[in-house]
Amino acid sequence: EVHLVESGGGLVQPGGSLRLSCAASGFTFSTYWTHWVRQAPGKGLVWVSRINTDGSITNYADSVKGRFTISRDNAKNTLYLQMSSLRAEDTAVYYCARGAGNSRAFDIWGQGTMVTVSS
Amino acid sequence: DIQMTQSPSSLSASVGDRVTITCRASQSISSYLNWYQEKPGKAPKLLIYAASSLQSGVPSRFSGSGSGTDFTLTISSLQPEDFATYYCQQSYSIPWTFGQGTKVEIK
Repeated sequence: EVHLVESGGGLVQPGGSLRLSCAASGFTFSTYWTHWVRQAPGKGLVWVSRINTDGSITNYADSVKGRFTISRDNAKNTLYLQMSSLRAEDTAVYYCARGAGNSRAFDIWGQGTMVTVSS
Repeated sequence: DIQMTQSPSSLSASVGDRVTITCRASQSISSYLNWYQEKPGKAPKLLIYAASSLQSGVPSRFSGSGSGTDFTLTISSLQPEDFATYYCQQSYSIPWTFGQGTKVEIK
């Protein structure tokens, strides 16, 4: 069965750093673009970042550009999001999601990991 | 950035009702429009991709239509498990953007 499982969330102080991981199973991870999407408490979905199959192409939302770095280790079937200079407005559930072929929809989602930025 | 506007923001409906949610893009996105269902505490689930293609495993009471800037998600006969929040999302250009969501509640 196809699965994405996020980990690494938690409470961090403003200005701090955190690294999220997303472990993939049940499919050939190295052949899919993958994304991070977040959802602040009580709010809607916001796309954060994406990475291509070999990690050579990355894109970011303006709100995180220069502070977050997406990467992947295809040998470990794992996606990462390194977050630094965290702000209160980064507080959210962070989902990893698989990009689906030509439609570029998100066809598989993880269960999410909560990041809380607070002093 | 492409802005996605859904309407209504919320609606109340009864089991068996036909429900329609609309999504408008601020510029043409061809058919790069996807629909998701979200339930409290759960990850979003892809329902419709490329405006009108039904994702595998999704009941046929869900359908999508439209192209360019105007899109529609229709639930032909609302079931108890369909009470949720629905989001449209464009995958035409970076940054991918979502609508604000439509909450479907029990009447």
